[in-house]
Amino acid sequence: GAGVSQSPRYKVAKRGQDVALRCDPISGHVSLFWYQQALGQGPEFLTYFQNEAQLDKSGLPSDRFFAERPEGSVSTLKIQRTQQEDSAVYLCASSPRGQGSKNIQYFGAGTRLSVL
Amino acid sequence: KQEVTQIPAALSVPEGENLVLNCSFTDSAIYNLQWFRQDPGKGLTSLLLIQSSQREQTSGRLNASLDKSSGRSTLYIAASQPGDSATYLCAALSTSGSRLTFGEGTQLTVNP
Repeated sequence: GAGVSQSPRYKVAKRGQDVALRCDPISGHVSLFWYQQALGQGPEFLTYFQNEAQLDKSGLPSDRFFAERPEGSVSTLKIQRTQQEDSAVYLCASSPRGQGSKNIQYFGAGTRLSVL
Repeated sequence: KQEVTQIPAALSVPEGENLVLNCSFTDSAIYNLQWFRQDPGKGLTSLLLIQSSQREQTSGRLNASLDKSSGRSTLYIAASQPGDSATYLCAALSTSGSRLTFGEGTQLTVNP
């Protein structure tokens, strides 16, 4: 497909479980972003990749959150020992160029994580 | 740290009405200001992007303005339709980094 693809669309986890969320950006896009959107809130930045380099991870809420993009295309957001406050929609976005440019970010449909 | 605020949080109007959604941001050092639409359970659809050097952008019934010096943007929707019902988010791209900073959104309901 031509857009940003995220999987799974929905994930239910028991508290304490580890989860992995996948993002397939638009082919050839240099930049990839992860955002967290709590219910009724706007998305909040988690982390940013330019190709395979993670240039900004200042938005990750704790060391239980880890993201990678080893080959500069697909990215995985991993959450260890999930807690109820991790319940949110996790959005991935990609853009054609690198940091500091005036690009539109194209968003995927998100993964809705529910931690019970 | 950039902060983005949207007013009102929710808005309900009859079909056909013209309406204005407001967005304010605290740091004027931005590359651009973007308006998105989000339908329930869906991702974000970009509606309009205004570069920092621009004053407004138009697309169909939508018009977005930007006053960088006062830290404000507005989204004007003309002749609203029930299909316009959604949450509208504004987001600022700061020059200090790559992240978009979002407001909390305005939930719009257009009643037939």
